[in-house]
Amino acid sequence: AQSVSQHNHHVILSEAASLELGCNYSYGGTVNLFWYVQYPGQHLQLLLKYFSGDPLVKGIKGFEAEFIKSKFSFNLRKPSVQWSDTAEYFCAVTRRNTGFQKLVFGTGTRLLVSP
Amino acid sequence: NAGVTQTPKFQVLKTGQSMTLQCAQDMNHNSMYWYRQDPGMGLRLIYYSASEGTTDKGEVPNGYNVSRLNKREFSLRLESAAPSQTSVYFCASSPDGIGGVYNEQFFGPGTRLTVL
Repeated sequence: AQSVSQHNHHVILSEAASLELGCNYSYGGTVNLFWYVQYPGQHLQLLLKYFSGDPLVKGIKGFEAEFIKSKFSFNLRKPSVQWSDTAEYFCAVTRRNTGFQKLVFGTGTRLLVSP
Repeated sequence: NAGVTQTPKFQVLKTGQSMTLQCAQDMNHNSMYWYRQDPGMGLRLIYYSASEGTTDKGEVPNGYNVSRLNKREFSLRLESAAPSQTSVYFCASSPDGIGGVYNEQFFGPGTRLTVL
């Protein structure tokens, strides 16, 4: 079965520190990859997505992610975090085949940025 | 354009009570989903509807039923609520349905349900 792993469950950083959150998936075929963010008390919002093309994807609020097919990874990065980046981050993957394919989420990484 | 809307925002039930969570989207999306979110477990799919008139079980369907009333609306019903169903419930929709390629999903604001 397809699975998504986010190895960091909790991350604490100071403002201006660099961020990298790991995401690995288990499916070997063609995939679509997403990072969603959930700010405290709010719903999930799309941060960025990868369907095809340049494996380095830029999203909103200065976030980027790199798809490394050989490592089955789609890690999220930000060079300098802000207090307002405190949130929970979810990686999600869906297979890109014919037929209906469901989105599978990782368990999330809770980021706390201290001012 | 309101996107995905959910009602109610909060609900407290007693064990054994029933209720229906409502979800509607105004983006003309084909597929709709119900998830539950629990601490440390991410989002788990309860039921989904790939197109109007079809529904299918997800990862954790027990204790729930759904209805895709029309293309816009997808409701989730708890027939006899249990404390294990205390959770935050999110509805989502996607422009893709059967045969879709991308499956980017758009989420509603959530319903926080407590079962005592």
